[in-house]
Amino acid sequence: DAGITQSPRHKVTETGTPVTLRCHQTENHRYMYWYRQDPGHGLRLIHYSYGVKDTDKGEVSDGYSVSRSKTEDFLLTLESATSSQTSVYFCAISQDTEAFFGQGTRLTVV
Amino acid sequence: QKEVEQNSGPLSVPEGAIASLNCTYSDRGSQSFFWYRQYSGKSPELIMSIYSNGDKEDGRFTAQLNKASQYVSLLIRDSQPSDSATYLCAVNPPSNTGKLIFGQGTTLQVKP
Repeated sequence: DAGITQSPRHKVTETGTPVTLRCHQTENHRYMYWYRQDPGHGLRLIHYSYGVKDTDKGEVSDGYSVSRSKTEDFLLTLESATSSQTSVYFCAISQDTEAFFGQGTRLTVV
Repeated sequence: QKEVEQNSGPLSVPEGAIASLNCTYSDRGSQSFFWYRQYSGKSPELIMSIYSNGDKEDGRFTAQLNKASQYVSLLIRDSQPSDSATYLCAVNPPSNTGKLIFGQGTTLQVKP
């Protein structure tokens, strides 16, 4: 894998609790992305970053926030987890155009 | 209209046949196009990128781009059972922020 680590890899949490997922890269790539993947929906972009402290919303950003205080880390926070946010979350990084993915985080909200 | 559209399939082809996967995109100014392969339970992996009109070949894979028709395709020659996976099309819409949008993916089944 292209120097991307997602943590945790699996998490079960209760409805209404905040949850933070971490994406860490060792490639010094400029762009970082958070996607969620659900059956029948492919990969849907939640938020992405084009530099430190530079982020923008994707297609399904409601209920999520992100932060990128340093190049290597991109955090995704579910402010108050809901069952509809049960999903597999993927982080990706890109220096220019081609993106490479982390191993994914399986999140279950009960 | 979704930004990137694919037929979800499944597309079933016999071993040794050519598999043809298609993708359309809505933003005419898009410049970069990608095909990813994803096995069940795994992360997507990049298999092809294409940036200009025409064909680009890499082994058994050929990516085809037609910007006028806003269409990109992936051909897999001599399909093997190991090619059975979901294939995701991805597009960079025009921006200076690196936004990357995926289609919903096409499931390919190659039958021995």
